Amino acid sequence: DTGVSQDPRHKITKRGQNVTFRCDPISEHNRLYWYRQTLGQGPEFLTYFQNEAQLEKSRLLSDRFSAERPKGSFSTLEIQRTEQGDSAMYLCASSLRAGGTDTQYFGPGTRLTVL
Amino acid sequence: GQQLNQSPQSMFIQEGEDVSMNCTSSSIFNTWLWYKQDPGEGPVLLIALYKAGELTSNGRLTAQFGITRKDSFLNISASIPSDVGIYFCAGLRYRDDKIIFGKGTRLHILP
Repeated sequence: DTGVSQDPRHKITKRGQNVTFRCDPISEHNRLYWYRQTLGQGPEFLTYFQNEAQLEKSRLLSDRFSAERPKGSFSTLEIQRTEQGDSAMYLCASSLRAGGTDTQYFGPGTRLTVL
Repeated sequence: GQQLNQSPQSMFIQEGEDVSMNCTSSSIFNTWLWYKQDPGEGPVLLIALYKAGELTSNGRLTAQFGITRKDSFLNISASIPSDVGIYFCAGLRYRDDKIIFGKGTRLHILP
């Protein structure tokens, strides 16, 4: 399967713990996006990378959140000192920005539950 | 955050019926995308639209990019049980470089 993959698929943690999620994009894609989705809502943009450069961060991304894409391939999203409000589905998407198009393909998501 | 206005919020239909849903915005978009999401999974891309007025089909699905660039619709013909799920419209403006999603249309098919 050559689609976007995410690991883990599910994570249950206690409030105050740190968690890290991984995303592997489609191999030839230069852009990688992170979104958060809560129940009954559409995905909301968090941040994105073009190659290894982080180009934009949403106001939703508090100081406790950090994302990296060190070699321009896979990316990690870390949440420090988790809070119950962080419980959500975290989605990763990738795209090949070329010629004015930027169609994003999503991974299966990581569902985070903070107890 | 900003979201598109997607309607209806939910639909209950009989198997075999046609389905229509739409998305509107006060802003212009350069690309409209339609995704389907099953429970516990990520959104799966159904149709991508890149030009105003464009009409594109994918099997029983047809979507159009509105002439004003502020709306789009998705039609599903002859619905089948596996069409059940949440359908999201999404718009992309190149200056923003990020997708804005609607809140979704939940499709239920009655037995």
